Amino acid sequence: AQKITQTQPGMFVQEKEAVTLDCTYDTSDPSYGLFWYKQPSSGEMIFLIYQGSYDQQNATEGRYSLNFQKARKSANLVISASQLGDSAMYFCAMREGLTGAGSYQLTFGKGTKLSVIP
Amino acid sequence: SQTIHQWPATLVQPVGSPLSLECTVEGTSNPNLYWYRQAAGRGLQLLFYSVGIGQISSEVPQNLSASRPQDRQFILSSKKLLLSDSGFYLCAWSPRLAARETQYFGPGTRLLVL
Repeated sequence: AQKITQTQPGMFVQEKEAVTLDCTYDTSDPSYGLFWYKQPSSGEMIFLIYQGSYDQQNATEGRYSLNFQKARKSANLVISASQLGDSAMYFCAMREGLTGAGSYQLTFGKGTKLSVIP
Repeated sequence: SQTIHQWPATLVQPVGSPLSLECTVEGTSNPNLYWYRQAAGRGLQLLFYSVGIGQISSEVPQNLSASRPQDRQFILSSKKLLLSDSGFYLCAWSPRLAARETQYFGPGTRLLVL
């Protein structure tokens, strides 16, 4: 079974509108971290936002927020006020296990291609 | 601030030739280092990670090897490239024992094996 599922291969959003990119995860480990990365056409993976499994509040970073629903095992990325420069691939990723305890692998989803329409 | 460099940016190599990709990190000490491969239109697959000089862990058995000769240098190598080695190779670093261990990626190397 996939550990990270991104069900939207592609999404379109109008400039200045908000968009939600879906991510569900599968783990039995009580300690884990969830990450979102942006990959523009240049290829570089850009870190956007992090949510720890024990964090009480949803993470926010500027126009990015993470809608963390632990019971449903979902970690959706919300981008507010979309800009043309937001057009890119977006990847959800998970790290299982305790920090520094040998849990170094990030498991990535297959990504969602976001296109912002002027 | 920390920066991560990779070179070359693009590489075209014949099947059977050797490979050496280099990654260096600036502005931090004792980082964890990682090599990932991304096939076209796919997510990333972890190939190797390192928690210190000379310490390499492999996640996927393959035609590739990695070395860490210096604290902030990570090298991906192959003695004989295969067609299936084509892809986009990304190096990443994360702070040691930090609360999040967020991984930060370099610009990547596009490798085409013909």
